[in-house]
Amino acid sequence: GENVEQHPSTLSVQEGDSAVIKCTYSDSASNYFPWYKQELGKRPQLIIDIRSNVGEKKDQRIAVTLNKTAKHFSLHITETQPEDSAVYFCAASPGYGQNFVFGPGTRLSVLP
Amino acid sequence: ETGVTQSPTHLIKTRGQQVTLRCSSQSGHNTVSWYQQALGQGPQFIFQYYREEENGRGNFPPRFSGLQFPNYSSELNVNALELDDSALYLCASSFGSFEGEQYFGPGTRLTVT
Repeated sequence: GENVEQHPSTLSVQEGDSAVIKCTYSDSASNYFPWYKQELGKRPQLIIDIRSNVGEKKDQRIAVTLNKTAKHFSLHITETQPEDSAVYFCAASPGYGQNFVFGPGTRLSVLP
Repeated sequence: ETGVTQSPTHLIKTRGQQVTLRCSSQSGHNTVSWYQQALGQGPQFIFQYYREEENGRGNFPPRFSGLQFPNYSSELNVNALELDDSALYLCASSFGSFEGEQYFGPGTRLTVT
């Protein structure tokens, strides 16, 4: 089955700097890769996703890149703000949407 | 704010008891997936219901079971509760079982003592 690894487990950046979180997956059949942000005590919120026919996707300060050959994808946050502080989860799905496999999460702290 | 709701918010049960958790999907969504999130970990897939049928299952024992109703709301039932079942239970709704973006509910915090 699919296995998703995520690094780093914790990340601290200064406000205004960029943050990068990387995930690798094992199942070459996976073709949908969402990223979720979870603030303390709240539900995971979908912030961006990418499908396997696309190499990069951007939404304002957030971007995701996908390298299918290497089986890894990354989340890039530019101009970080304190409100970006949260736990970020990557996930991979084999394309029939029934089994999202999540990474263990990255705790991002943006220091003012 | 998404339209996925869950009840109850919190629940305390004793080992060996049974529990039922409920989820109302977002309007227009016909698929509900259930996840268990232990403290400090990512959500673990339990199972998915698509048009009232189980459409996939993760590595959870049969004492975890579910239902989906004609209005696409769903229940998660857990029998013979164990201490390790203590976790946040999340449901997520989506449209279709194929690459549908999943939107999570607020979760039910279950504590087993």
